[in-house]
Amino acid sequence: GENVEQHPSTLSVQEGDSAVIKCTYSDSASNYFPWYKQELGKGSQLIIDIRSNVGEKKDQRIAVTLNKTAKHFSLHITETQPEDSAVYFCAAGATDSWGKLQFGAGTQVVVTP
Amino acid sequence: NAGVTQTPKFQVLKTGQSMTLQCAQDMNHNSMYWYRQDPGMGLRLIYYSASEGTTDKGEVPNGYNVSRLNKREFSLRLESAAPSQTSVYFCASSEPPLISGAGYEQYFGPGTRLTVT
Repeated sequence: GENVEQHPSTLSVQEGDSAVIKCTYSDSASNYFPWYKQELGKGSQLIIDIRSNVGEKKDQRIAVTLNKTAKHFSLHITETQPEDSAVYFCAAGATDSWGKLQFGAGTQVVVTP
Repeated sequence: NAGVTQTPKFQVLKTGQSMTLQCAQDMNHNSMYWYRQDPGMGLRLIYYSASEGTTDKGEVPNGYNVSRLNKREFSLRLESAAPSQTSVYFCASSEPPLISGAGYEQYFGPGTRLTVT
């Protein structure tokens, strides 16, 4: 089955700096890679996703890159703000499926003013 | 439109007790999921239901049972709770890509924090 590894487990950044979280996956059949943000005491919410037919996707201060050959994908947050503090999860799945996702272990991001 | 709701929010059980965690979604999604979240281990899939009437084991099903009561509701039962089941439990739902032909964002409930003593 799919195995997703996520690094780092914790990330502390100064407000205004960039944050990068990296994930690797093992199953070549995976072609859908979402990122979820979990704020304290809440369920996770999708913030951005990418499919294997593109290498990069941006949405304002958030971007995701995908390297299919190396089987890794990354989340980039620029100009970080205190409200970016949360746990971020990467995941991998297949679009020809019933929607199961394999999640990474999560990255606790702390943005200090 | 409440999205995904879970009850209860908190629960403390003694070893050996049983309980059922309830989950309901109002988005008419076909697929529903139960995860547990433990520190350093992310979200691990316990069981999922691809569509009404079907359930399948996920990564960590031992000690749990599920029921897809109807399209809206998916419950998780602990028959004989153990301290190892102390965790935060999340329910989620999605419209699977096989049906939507598009993306399949999973929508999560707020979670149930369960402690087994």
